[in-house]
Amino acid sequence: EIVLTQSPGTLSLSPGERATLSCRASQSVSSSYLAWYQQKPGQAPRLLIYGASSRATGIPDRFSGSGSGTDFTLTISRLEPEDFAVYYCQQYGSSPPRFTFGPGTKVDIK
Amino acid sequence: QLQLQESGPGLVKPSETLSLTCTVSGGSISSSSYYWGWIRQPPGKGLEWIGSIYYSGSAYYNPSLKSRVTISVDTSKNQFSLKLRSVTAADTAVYYCAKIHITMIYDYMDVWGKGTTVTVSS
Repeated sequence: EIVLTQSPGTLSLSPGERATLSCRASQSVSSSYLAWYQQKPGQAPRLLIYGASSRATGIPDRFSGSGSGTDFTLTISRLEPEDFAVYYCQQYGSSPPRFTFGPGTKVDIK
Repeated sequence: QLQLQESGPGLVKPSETLSLTCTVSGGSISSSSYYWGWIRQPPGKGLEWIGSIYYSGSAYYNPSLKSRVTISVDTSKNQFSLKLRSVTAADTAVYYCAKIHITMIYDYMDVWGKGTTVTVSS
């Protein structure tokens, strides 16, 4: 079973700053099956990034994803007020088929 | 635009069965490009995948819940459903349904319902 670890647990930043969020897997995962989601209080998660680096439809280009193997990164180049939220990484494994989420990183206002 | 809506009781007694339905609108549940999934989130905690199903009825489950979960699909109603048996307070959560986009390369959850809160309490 693959375990995803996200760091930091909380990231306190100011609008306009750069946010770098980490997602580490306990064993190598396919980049194709690594996704990032944003969740605001009281809302469902929203897909940001799939395939480790492809932005989902309608996602601003200040969001970018990178990484491979066991280490993946979500970067928000310049934080907008609406970006303060919790971010989850997720991986899909095919043998057996299953999805796993990381514990999340909260980005809050400093 | 495809939308998902969860429905079902908001309160379930311990040891009973939690039953939820997700209604798909704006598109067909029978698309070969999609799976359909259930995800839950206990209060103040992270996301947990429960299981997924294809329109053909082929389903797969989180091993930690597999003994208690059944997911089914009704293509005539454009719905899929979740049953979770023998619930305890630990099953109290917001339950989401989601569309899982599948390709030869990628799998990801790109459309989510708004979620429904289920509380397990006597």
